[in-house]
Amino acid sequence: GAGVSQTPSNKVTEKGKYVELRCDPISGHTALYWYRQSLGQGPEFLIYFQGTGAADDSGLPNDRFFAVRPEGSVSTLKIQRTERGDSAVYLCASSWDGQGTQYFGPGTRLTVL
Amino acid sequence: RKEVEQDPGPFNVPEGATVAFNCTYSNSASQSFFWYRQDCRKEPKLLMSVYSSGNEDGRFTAQLNRASQYISLLIRDSKLSDSATYLCAVGGQTGANNLFFGTGTRLTVIP
Repeated sequence: GAGVSQTPSNKVTEKGKYVELRCDPISGHTALYWYRQSLGQGPEFLIYFQGTGAADDSGLPNDRFFAVRPEGSVSTLKIQRTERGDSAVYLCASSWDGQGTQYFGPGTRLTVL
Repeated sequence: RKEVEQDPGPFNVPEGATVAFNCTYSNSASQSFFWYRQDCRKEPKLLMSVYSSGNEDGRFTAQLNRASQYISLLIRDSKLSDSATYLCAVGGQTGANNLFFGTGTRLTVIP
């Protein structure tokens, strides 16, 4: 079946701009996660959704980052006033119920110039 | 102190060699443990979960030592196709569902 999909695959933006990154989880998966991976590092947790609600947003670095999942399926990660330090690969993962294996999407490579 | 620590390597080994990676974690309440494989510019893919009793999948063996708070991955008879970065991930702390990842260990298998 289809895996986790993310769009766009690459996004180049200028410092100060607003960006939206989209994640489409595996069908039927109730849990959705956003991670950020910088070069040479492992993925770093940002936020976790169970259904429509953000069950844990403790990894969001500051209030420029926000994510939604209004219908409990697709999620959008929103970054306001982007900074060069936001450049990274943003990975989305989903799991069946929040306890099981997390399956990752291909990521969105964000470059802030 | 980082939640999860790994030796970043690189490990360069000849084909057919046995190689082992270790990973330590700091939170004794952790309940789930995984090894992921990540190819260059690709997403992490689950290689295997790690259980207290240890588990094996073909040439790969994973072990967990709760007392010392480390997990290990052993790869026997290395293949060229095993070249990748291996990430350990720890999760399942009470009330939390996110994973904490190590920095990854880069393995290159040489012909």
